[in-house]
Amino acid sequence: AQSVSQHNHHVILSEAASLELGCNYSYGGTVNLFWYVQYPGQHLQLLLKYFSGDPLVKGIKGFEAEFIKSKFSFNLRKPSVQWSDTAEYFCAVNAAGGGADGLTFGKGTHLIIQP
Amino acid sequence: DVKVTQSSRYLVKRTGEKVFLECVQDMDHENMFWYRQDPGLGLRLIYFSYDVKMKEKGDIPEGYSVSREKKERFSLILESASTNQTSMYLCASRTRNVFGGRDTDTQYFGPGTRLTVL
Repeated sequence: AQSVSQHNHHVILSEAASLELGCNYSYGGTVNLFWYVQYPGQHLQLLLKYFSGDPLVKGIKGFEAEFIKSKFSFNLRKPSVQWSDTAEYFCAVNAAGGGADGLTFGKGTHLIIQP
Repeated sequence: DVKVTQSSRYLVKRTGEKVFLECVQDMDHENMFWYRQDPGLGLRLIYFSYDVKMKEKGDIPEGYSVSREKKERFSLILESASTNQTSMYLCASRTRNVFGGRDTDTQYFGPGTRLTVL
């Protein structure tokens, strides 16, 4: 079974600061990797995903993530955050291979951006 | 756009009641999922369904059952609600699109049902 660890449960930054949220997973096989975001009062929505190819993945709203296979990591980054980035961020994985398995989520990181 | 809807945004039930949470998707997706979301625990998979009349247990199926009689609808059932089932319940759907042996499609989530069991 997979597991996902998100390093920080709460992060507070000022606008224009750079962001990096850590995510590590454990699984012996090939995985698909995702970052989801949940803005206050809104649906969970996909920020970006990695299946194969270039390990640097770009998503919506200026976010990117880098898959480092040797470190089992998929950290989320943004060079300059905005107040509107205040949200909860979830890293998730599932086993690659064509199955219909659900996602295994990390516990989430609550990000607060101060104006 | 994919649309996943859930029957209620907020629900209050009493201990011991039978509770039905309904989820409908409009994109003819084969796979559907039920998660619960709790503060500090993230999302945890309760049940999922590969297709109509098929179901599989997720990580925390105890106290829950599901029904998938039609492709677009996936119901979560709490046979006898308990206070520890107070939570946010999220439904998701996904189509099967395998590329190079890997399932490449994204799960789309509904808005959630916040269930309180008194």
